Amino acid sequence: DSGVTQTPKHLITATGQRVTLRCSPRSGDLSVYWYQQSLDQGLQFLIQYYNGEERAKGNILERFSAQQFPDLHSELNLSSLELGDSALYFCASSRDPLSYEQYFGPGTRLTVT
Amino acid sequence: DAKTTQPTSMDCAEGRAANLPCNHSTISGNEYVYWYRQIHSQGPQYIIHGLKNNETNEMASLIITEDRKSSTLILPHATLRDTAVYYCIVRRYYGGSQGNLIFGKGTKLSVKP
Repeated sequence: DSGVTQTPKHLITATGQRVTLRCSPRSGDLSVYWYQQSLDQGLQFLIQYYNGEERAKGNILERFSAQQFPDLHSELNLSSLELGDSALYFCASSRDPLSYEQYFGPGTRLTVT
Repeated sequence: DAKTTQPTSMDCAEGRAANLPCNHSTISGNEYVYWYRQIHSQGPQYIIHGLKNNETNEMASLIITEDRKSSTLILPHATLRDTAVYYCIVRRYYGGSQGNLIFGKGTKLSVKP
């Protein structure tokens, strides 16, 4: 158990819909990262937050957005969903913003039908 | 960040040492080698990292060659639960602007009874 929690575990929704994925980092970790894992693209970094502020952006689509709240939990919002957004979404956390020693949650499996 | 090359797959007998190689011939002096693994569809798990000295923790040992162009992750007594995809990642520590990990395709290790 990494100490990072993600909800929900599974999500099935239709194209065009909007969903929110939630992540709680390990106790004491200030940095949160979101990664997407699809069959054809592998594990890809989406976005990073540190202490409530956006720190770095990866291959995140404009339809996707995220935020980190004062209690340090984070939410990833995916809108206008397409079939190709079906993937595993992982959240990770670390003590500082430049740490590559990151702890991953169990993931949310999103299926868009 | 330096590119890494890993074998696509490897087998190992249960109870034997698993030696996973990684080539990073273009690594620079301030880049660290990180190892993660991902057991089927679970969140990636941090294993170990190092700069130039060999490192050992409760999970594994990391051997980095003197010229730092390659490394080997050693699982001393592999069990069936070690079956996973192992990722070797090279990242500049505290020198870059982003703390995100960049995952390649990794090595699929199959531990067989």
